[in-house]
Amino acid sequence: AQSVTQPDIHITVSEGASLELRCNYSYGATPYLFWYVQSPGQGLQLLLKYFSGDTLVQGIKGFEAEFKRSQSSFNLRKPSVHWSDAAEYFCAVARNNDMRFGAGTRLTVKP
Amino acid sequence: EADIYQTPRYLVIGTGKKITLECSQTMGHDKMYWYQQDPGMELHLIHYSYGVNSTEKGDLSSESTVSRIRTEHFPLTLESARPSHTSQYLCASKRTGQSSEAFFGQGTRLTVV
Repeated sequence: AQSVTQPDIHITVSEGASLELRCNYSYGATPYLFWYVQSPGQGLQLLLKYFSGDTLVQGIKGFEAEFKRSQSSFNLRKPSVHWSDAAEYFCAVARNNDMRFGAGTRLTVKP
Repeated sequence: EADIYQTPRYLVIGTGKKITLECSQTMGHDKMYWYQQDPGMELHLIHYSYGVNSTEKGDLSSESTVSRIRTEHFPLTLESARPSHTSQYLCASKRTGQSSEAFFGQGTRLTVV
């Protein structure tokens, strides 16, 4: 069965530190992968997506993600975290014409 | 800026009442979705539509119903609200094609007392 796994429920980093959020997928075909961010009480906003080409994709707000087929991973990274990055982050995979989401990783940023 | 709107943003209602959560998009997307999300939890797909007059139930069993009479409109109805329906409801839409992303509304936070 196709699925998306985000192993970390909650991550805390200091402001200015680097960030990596993990995402693993289980999918039989070429995956279409997405990262979304959700601020409290809001809907989801797309950060970036991958469906072909360069395995390192750049997104908004200084985020990037790297697709690694051998590890079935699509980890999200940011070199220097800002306090405004505190939010919930969701990895998603497009399956047929649906989107399936991971359980999310909550990011807390310490001053 | 996504052109998908949900109303109301917040709703507190008594048990047994009938409610309709509205979702409209102006992007001409064929596909629309309703997700249920408890605070800090994952998104569960409860309904989806691939176009006018097409509606399907999602993975999570829900007592709600949906309709798709117009492309831009995908309302969700609860005939008799119960406290167990208390949750956040997110509406989304996307174009056909796996590479296209979903656009989300801001959500409706429903509390049934």
